[in-house]
Amino acid sequence: EPEVTQTPSHQVTQMGQEVILRCVPISNHLYFYWYRQILGQKVEFLVSFYNNEISEKSEIFDDQFSVERPDGSNFTLKIRSTKLEDSAMYFCASLKGGYEQYFGPGTRLTVT
Amino acid sequence: KQEVTQIPAALSVPEGENLVLNCSFTDSAIYNLQWFRQDPGKGLTSLLLIQSSQREQTSGRLNASLDKSSGRSTLYIAASQPGDSATYLCALDRDNYGQNFVFGPGTRLSVLP
Repeated sequence: EPEVTQTPSHQVTQMGQEVILRCVPISNHLYFYWYRQILGQKVEFLVSFYNNEISEKSEIFDDQFSVERPDGSNFTLKIRSTKLEDSAMYFCASLKGGYEQYFGPGTRLTVT
Repeated sequence: KQEVTQIPAALSVPEGENLVLNCSFTDSAIYNLQWFRQDPGKGLTSLLLIQSSQREQTSGRLNASLDKSSGRSTLYIAASQPGDSATYLCALDRDNYGQNFVFGPGTRLSVLP
């Protein structure tokens, strides 16, 4: 069964550093998403991406964040200058349209 | 702004019991409601999707219902097993494209052998 994959599974970085989280969505899906979950809190929507552009973003997704689909398969989330409060689990998801969202296993980001 | 709550926050039951998890939302203008399972430190596994035109969906021992007018969904788990122990999340979107998917806080379920 096709699945969403994410790399790395765990990323440790120092405050102020840039990080790129990578996702490979399911191949025939058209809509792509990033979510985050701070430890012990709700899963929160960050951004949705369709047709090579952002279709919606939340208040959390400020200028420090960016997304890109650099080729036909990868979907990346970049955090330009990480802060301690960016420490969280980041989930990528994809959707075909009208059906259920499929989530990846997540990347745990630890900012020290 | 859509607010999603889940009751109870935690539930502990003996193996074999039938149980109901509740999800409430404030804005009935939703398109899809999806139930997920999350194991500790892991990703989200989709369990059931109910589209707004549907009232329920079933998969094995799971049955989910949706009542948009009252802003409620329930997840019914029959004959619970220890392997069902996880956090169960409901999430809603307001269109067919997953825009601004809003999650509830989850119900942490423990099924005791």
